Amino acid sequence: EAGVTQFPSHSVIEKGQTVTLRCDPISGHDNLYWYRRVMGKEIKFLLHFVKESKQDESGMPNNRFLAERTGGTYSTLKVQPAELEDSGVYFCASSQGGTQYFGPGTRLTVL
Amino acid sequence: GEDVEQSLFLSVREGDSSVINCTYTDSSSTYLYWYKQEPGAGLQLLTYIFSNMDMKQDQRLTVLLNKKDKHLSLRIADTQTGDSAIYFCAESIATGANNLFFGTGTRLTVIP
Repeated sequence: EAGVTQFPSHSVIEKGQTVTLRCDPISGHDNLYWYRRVMGKEIKFLLHFVKESKQDESGMPNNRFLAERTGGTYSTLKVQPAELEDSGVYFCASSQGGTQYFGPGTRLTVL
Repeated sequence: GEDVEQSLFLSVREGDSSVINCTYTDSSSTYLYWYKQEPGAGLQLLTYIFSNMDMKQDQRLTVLLNKKDKHLSLRIADTQTGDSAIYFCAESIATGANNLFFGTGTRLTVIP
């Protein structure tokens, strides 16, 4: 069974540009989470989908971040416009009510 | 808010035991987890413990939970060079939310 996949693995963009990250959860998992780790700090929760609905988006830093999960399958996280402080590793995780399984992350660098 | 703390670095010699410590502040934790991140890879769930347990053992891994002191530890017996990685402690709390609260991670270096 395939695990959680994320695309791209790395992204380098300039300040002010737009980037879209994608996460494909484990098939059949209703719960999908986004987390972010800024360099050297803890991994912080961003938001949680249950199927296509946002269950909790209390961790989203500001309105430059937009997450979607149309159809309740894969999810995208768009950052527009990107700022320097958005650099970090963005992790996606999925679960079916219990243990969360994480993807490899997308390393975002904003120059 | 929830606060999970870990020391940043730990070095051990190959064959020794490693003990990685974690403290947390929220007494309503339900599950506590240990995740491992190897270089260039994602987070791999190593083990977890339910909050009403004191200890869990899984091969070379032993998790100890002191709920009174809000202290969690991960002991790796006979540490190998392949155990070099960043280890994250995480908790989930009983508020109905399912998100995890992570520590900063402890970078374990195993010296041959």
